Amino acid sequence: GAVVSQHPSRVICKSGTSVKIECRSLDFQATTMFWYRQFPKQSLMLMATSNEGSKATYEQGVEKDKFLINHASLTLSTLTVTSAHPEDSSFYICSARRGTSGGRADTQYFGPGTRLTVL
Amino acid sequence: DAKTTQPPSMDCAEGRAANLPCNHSTISGNEYVYWYRQIHSQGPQYIIHGLKNNETNEMASLIITEDRKSSTLILPHATLRDTAVYYCIVRVATGGYSTLTFGKGTMLLVSP
Repeated sequence: GAVVSQHPSRVICKSGTSVKIECRSLDFQATTMFWYRQFPKQSLMLMATSNEGSKATYEQGVEKDKFLINHASLTLSTLTVTSAHPEDSSFYICSARRGTSGGRADTQYFGPGTRLTVL
Repeated sequence: DAKTTQPPSMDCAEGRAANLPCNHSTISGNEYVYWYRQIHSQGPQYIIHGLKNNETNEMASLIITEDRKSSTLILPHATLRDTAVYYCIVRVATGGYSTLTFGKGTMLLVSP
């Protein structure tokens, strides 16, 4: 299957600092990437959808000024958590959509996730 | 996208087949059935997807009923490493910007 990487896998930061998480599709080009967040014992919640070269679309309740998303190339998207607070501590997971031709179904592949802890 | 219903948990003995059911009675004609699994503290892993025909790959088989209102994911010989939360998701899969919406899934516990 296709490979999506994330970096870092784990980060601990102080309250008020900013944290950047990188997401890369290693063996395919992804015109669309997604960012999810998962709190303990809960399911994944979509935060935003980003298309290469355009602004991200955020889900209701997600602050776009706090969670900055940049999708600068077909293989790289970044999520920056600005002025992080303890309530932002969570498991952040990116996903990249691998498109197809000929009307066949596309597939989303997920990164391994980034565990963010804000002290 | 149509919603799905899955049992919250299932048990399976190692080496036996694990059959995970999913109901999607409101599925529309252009929606595919996708299965993912999430092992603890990892990102979801793609397993398989299908529209109306049964599908098989190296990981699992997907059986979709003729009316497409339900499906079953089959892990033919479950191992301890198959212990995970399994998500059944339906979505439009071509063109457009439809994404994956995760429910609570089924927690499959494979025991020795």
